[in-house]
Amino acid sequence: NAGVTQTPKFQVLKTGQSMTLQCAQDMNHEYMSWYRQDPGMGLRLIHYSVGAGITDQGEVPNGYNVSRSTTEDFPLRLLSAAPSQTSVYFCASSPVAGKLFFGSGTQLSVL
Amino acid sequence: TQLLEQSPQFLSIQEGENLTVYCNSSSVFSSLQWYRQEPGEGPVLLVTVVTGGEVKKLKRLTFQFGDARKDSSLHITAAQPGDTGLYLCAGAATGNQFYFGTGTSLTVIP
Repeated sequence: NAGVTQTPKFQVLKTGQSMTLQCAQDMNHEYMSWYRQDPGMGLRLIHYSVGAGITDQGEVPNGYNVSRSTTEDFPLRLLSAAPSQTSVYFCASSPVAGKLFFGSGTQLSVL
Repeated sequence: TQLLEQSPQFLSIQEGENLTVYCNSSSVFSSLQWYRQEPGEGPVLLVTVVTGGEVKKLKRLTFQFGDARKDSSLHITAAQPGDTGLYLCAGAATGNQFYFGTGTSLTVIP
């Protein structure tokens, strides 16, 4: 019962560094998404995908890239990290309609 | 732009008390969901409401969707320490795009 798996759990970066947050799901869900969570702001949608080969922007896409080469994987790339990207990042997947299944999050600090 | 505003942002109550959390928006949503999140974990779905005026009960939790499908409330009866957590509402826009509220952090003191 893996569900949605996110790695790493914690990460510290220096300004300007790049990295990829990994997300994998084993439920054969078509829909996957990335959120960031900041105090007092709930979760904000970064990017989402409705199936392999299809991605689109959410509310706060700037500074992030995604790709969806397989149904299972949906990595989030930070090309040049900035302190404003310090946050907790959650990946979620969903069947065609309804319930979001979340991973346990990645806590990212950019110094 | 925060489409969904929750109130209160923080709530600390004694075990056994009742409470209500509100989720308000100027936008209409096709459905609205409530999630609970515990520290270090992702949110977990509690309920989905779809029809305007709909009321759903989950043990001591009662969820209501506004008639105009713009707002919702969560009422907890006789709160217990196990209810402690961050409660988030989420409105469904087009397809599977969900917009989350600002969150209500609930602490129930034994």
